[in-house]
Amino acid sequence: ELKVEQNPLFLSMQEGKNYTIYCNYSTTSDRLYWYRQDPGKSLESLFVLLSNGAVKQEGRLMASLDTKARLSTLHITAAVHDLSATYFCAVVFTGTASKLTFGTGTRLQVTL
Amino acid sequence: DTEVTQTPKHLVMGMTNKKSLKCEQHMGHRAMYWYKQKAKKPPELMFVYSYEKLSINESVPSRFSPECPNSSLLNLHLHALQPEDSALYLCASSLAGSFYEQYFGPGTRLTVT
Repeated sequence: ELKVEQNPLFLSMQEGKNYTIYCNYSTTSDRLYWYRQDPGKSLESLFVLLSNGAVKQEGRLMASLDTKARLSTLHITAAVHDLSATYFCAVVFTGTASKLTFGTGTRLQVTL
Repeated sequence: DTEVTQTPKHLVMGMTNKKSLKCEQHMGHRAMYWYKQKAKKPPELMFVYSYEKLSINESVPSRFSPECPNSSLLNLHLHALQPEDSALYLCASSLAGSFYEQYFGPGTRLTVT
C-alpha cells in the first residue's frame, strides 16, 4: 500500500525554538515535495527533493531526504509566527508517474 | 506567468443544480489535475489529464465530470452533488506528469446545500 505519514499531526511551539517534522513513506519514491498551506488557501511549494542525502534550505526551513530510511524531515530553526501553517509532504512513488500522494499534514502553530 | 487561475472562488449549489468549475494555466504545462480537499485533510487526487487525455480517474463518482478542451483549460462539471461533496477543489498543473513540480491554483470553495 502506498502510504505517507507525518508526525506530529499538530505542533505548538514558541517563537525562537527549533523543531522537526517527520515524513515517512511506505515504498520507493522518485521524488518528494514539501508544501505549505495557510488556512483556506492553496498549496505553496517549498522544496523538491530528488535524491538520497538531498538537503535544501530556505530561510528558517531546511528539508532533507533519506531514501534508504524512506524518511524526509522539515527542520524549523528559530520559529517565527509567520511560519504558522499546515505543512504537507507529498511523494511520487516509483511506478506511479502521474500521481502525487500526500502525507497527513502537520499543523504548526507558533506562539509568542 | 507562473499562475494557475480558478473560477469561481466560491460556489454554493443545490443538489439538483448543474455547475462547472474552471481552471486555466498559460505556462505551457501538459498535465493538469483536479484535487478535492476536505477540512483538516490532505488533498485527494480526483483526475489527471496528460496531453489533454484523461490518464487517471481515481474512482470518482460520475456526478463529477472532467473536461480538458485544450492544453490551457480544465473544467470540472458538477451535477446532482451531495452535501458530503462540499470541499475545497484545487486545480494544479505541471510540465508533464508528477516528475515535474505541480503548481496549484487558489481553489474553489464548494458548498452543496
